[in-house]
Amino acid sequence: DAKTTQPNSMESNEEEPVHLPCNHSTISGTDYIHWYRQLPSQGPEYVIHGLTSNVNNRMASLAIAEDRKSSTLILHRATLRDAAVYYCILPYFGNEKLTFGTGTRLTIIP
Amino acid sequence: KAGVTQTPRYLIKTRGQQVTLSCSPISGHRSVSWYQQTPGQGLQFLFEYFSETQRNKGNFPGRFSGRQFSNSRSEMNVSTLELGDSALYLCASSHLFDRNRYEQYFGPGTRLTVT
Repeated sequence: DAKTTQPNSMESNEEEPVHLPCNHSTISGTDYIHWYRQLPSQGPEYVIHGLTSNVNNRMASLAIAEDRKSSTLILHRATLRDAAVYYCILPYFGNEKLTFGTGTRLTIIP
Repeated sequence: KAGVTQTPRYLIKTRGQQVTLSCSPISGHRSVSWYQQTPGQGLQFLFEYFSETQRNKGNFPGRFSGRQFSNSRSEMNVSTLELGDSALYLCASSHLFDRNRYEQYFGPGTRLTVT
């Protein structure tokens, strides 16, 4: 099954942009790239997902490499409320289980 | 639109007992998935239901079971509880049975403590 690799932790200053990387070198042509985040004491929260082209929503932007072997979640202006564990995952349709890795723990410095 | 709700939010049980957790998905969502989250193992997939049928199952023993009702509400049951079953149990719902194309919405979880 395709897996993702993320840095264990990152720090960023408040009100600055944050770029969270994810490698998925074994991604297949039909795999969507999903990002979720989990704030302390809460369930995971959907952030964004995409297939090939870059995606934007009110929470973040997703930049997908041309070869789709990596992607970057972009928080344009980090706030203290963005401090969370961010998961990059490749869900499957069918009989495969959905796996979350260890994610990236993002710390926002005031 | 109300989010995913899970009951109870907290539960304390004794080894050997059984427990039933409940999940109400977002209105209109027909797919419900269950996950176990522990500090050591992270977030692990338990099973997924769509239209009252189990579609996928993770690598958990048979003590873990679930079901989905016609109104899409789902329950999971753990029998003969072990200390290692202490975890946060999360439920997620999705509009359609296609986790690749469609996002999931998670509930707040049920914190189960086994003593």
